[in-house]
Order: sequence, then C-alpha cells, then structure tokens
Amino acid sequence: SAVISQKPSRDICQRGTSLTIQCQVDSQVTMMFWYRQQPGQSLTLIATANQGSEATYESGFVIDKFPISRPNLTFSTLTVSNMSPEDSSIYLCSVEVVGYYGYTFGSGTRLTVV
Amino acid sequence: GQNIDQPTEMTATEGAIVQINCTYQTSGFNGLFWYQQHAGEAPTFLSYNVLDGLEEKGRFSSFLSRSKGYSYLLLKELQMKDSASYLCAVREHTGRRALTFGSGTRLQVQP
Repeated sequence: SAVISQKPSRDICQRGTSLTIQCQVDSQVTMMFWYRQQPGQSLTLIATANQGSEATYESGFVIDKFPISRPNLTFSTLTVSNMSPEDSSIYLCSVEVVGYYGYTFGSGTRLTVV
Repeated sequence: GQNIDQPTEMTATEGAIVQINCTYQTSGFNGLFWYQQHAGEAPTFLSYNVLDGLEEKGRFSSFLSRSKGYSYLLLKELQMKDSASYLCAVREHTGRRALTFGSGTRLQVQP
C-alpha cells in the first residue's frame, strides 16, 4: 500500500482563523481525497483533489471554505478557512494507490475550534 | 442518491463468530470495501469485493450479493483487539473513485 504523512496531527484554533493540513504520500497514487469525520460518526467526503486543477467538491462543501491544492501526484493540502466551532472534527486524507485496490488513510488531523 | 446501512452497535464474546451486515442502494456499483477503525485511529483496509461471493482473508471474510445490494463481514475467533468500528463503503463507478461510507458498526468484544 502506501505510507501517508499527514500534518498536523492535532490543533486548537481560534474561531475566524484558518488551518492548512498537509498530506504527503510515499508512493505513486492515482487519486487523493479529503474526508471529515465528526466525533462518533462515519466519514464524509469533502472533495477529490485533482492534480493541477480545481478540486471536485461534494454537496455541502465549497471551495471558499475548504480550498484544496494538489501541485503534484503525491502532495495535497486542505485549508479550513474562517473556522467556527462547527468545524471541529477529524480531517483525513485518503489515497488510491497504483496497483493496490485498498484505499489508504492518513492518521488524521484532530481540529478543535474555540 | 446513496444509502448505505449498517447496524449501529453489536456485542459479541471472545472466541465467537460475528457477522456485520451492510445493505446499499447506490446509482452504480464498482466495489464494496470494509474498513476497521479503532478509536482515535485512521481506518485500515480489511477487504474488497466486486464480484458476488465470499472473499476470505485469515479470520476475516467478506461476502457480496450485488443483486440484493448486500454484503457482510464475518469475523471468526474473536479477540479483544477486534473491538472497533467496522465501516462498509461503496465505490459507485469507475469514473467516481471516491468511496461512500456507511455509518459504521461499533463492535464490542466481551471476555
């Protein structure tokens, strides 16, 4: 599979500020995704990170709030902008690796907005 | 739309067998995945089914019936470390590679 480095692992942020989460993969990947997981809940897809072009967002998620970059095949960032307490959640990067049919997840970023 | 249903919680005894069911209604189907997630950790891949039938991998097996929109994950010889959430996820079609997850089943293994 792949090894994903996701940073930061956790952060406590003031409302109104922004946080950028990084995801670095050590293997060739085809697709990269960003998910959110509320406490005790399952995973909700935020967007698909496309290399060199705008991300594809799911219903309920917009670029102004969650800008995503993917400058190359193995690196992506997710920014949570103008944060409010409702953004407190775990954010997870996930990749589909070439030649491997299981999707791999990063260790997650636990975000608390105060 | 998409709908993926799993039981919310299950309890089983160490050494026993447990079956976690998943039913799905999606606009397309290109594979069903099972993940294990321990509290505070990332999901880890368990199994993948795209054709009907049973896939066995050690103590874990997964079954798929596409005509019924149904899958199950079978855990044998339960161990305490199997206490975790089990997530069923569907990939709708080759053009949409992202997975859609069910709400997850929290399994508690008791001595």
